[in-house]
Amino acid sequence: AQSVSQHNHHVILSEAASLELGCNYSYGGTVNLFWYVQYPGQHLQLLLKYFSGDPLVKGIKGFEAEFIKSKFSFNLRKPSVQWSDTAEYFCAVMGYSTLTFGKGTMLLVSP
Amino acid sequence: GAVVSQHPSRVICKSGTSVKIECRSLDFQATTMFWYRQFPKKSLMLMATSNEGSKATYEQGVEKDKFLINHASLTLSTLTVTSAHPEDSSFYICSATSGGVDTEAFFGQGTRLTVV
Repeated sequence: AQSVSQHNHHVILSEAASLELGCNYSYGGTVNLFWYVQYPGQHLQLLLKYFSGDPLVKGIKGFEAEFIKSKFSFNLRKPSVQWSDTAEYFCAVMGYSTLTFGKGTMLLVSP
Repeated sequence: GAVVSQHPSRVICKSGTSVKIECRSLDFQATTMFWYRQFPKKSLMLMATSNEGSKATYEQGVEKDKFLINHASLTLSTLTVTSAHPEDSSFYICSATSGGVDTEAFFGQGTRLTVV
């Protein structure tokens, strides 16, 4: 069975600080990897995804993530966060026909 | 991106009654649909995976007889919460994918179920 682990449940940053959210997964086969964001009162939106190719993927709103196969990791990064990035972030893994989410990280960016 | 419509967005029902939640893919054929439950301040818990025309695969700990899932067509999956109890109150989210090697899942807007 596949599983996803997100390292931090809550992160508090000031505007302009850099962000890195950790995500590790376990699965024996080929996976597709995703980061989703859920803004307050809204439904899940896709930030970025990795299927194959360049392990450094860029998503919307300045986010990027790096897939490190040897570490089973897919960490999310942003060089400079904004107040509007306050949201919950979910890492997800799709193995064979199943999409599994991590527990989520609540990011609070203070102005 | 593709659109997944979930209905209703909110429902309040009496304890002991059943509630049906619909999940529709509007502009693509969803060979696989997922049903999640989101608890307050917690992640999305996968309840079941359904493939069109097949019985749903339930995750461990999810009662099959309580949460009935039907994926009768390539554009519609339903989740029926039977004999609902207050502890079933939660936010239910569906997602759909067209399958294949490199596909992503698209999410419905969720259904807030309140059982009184």
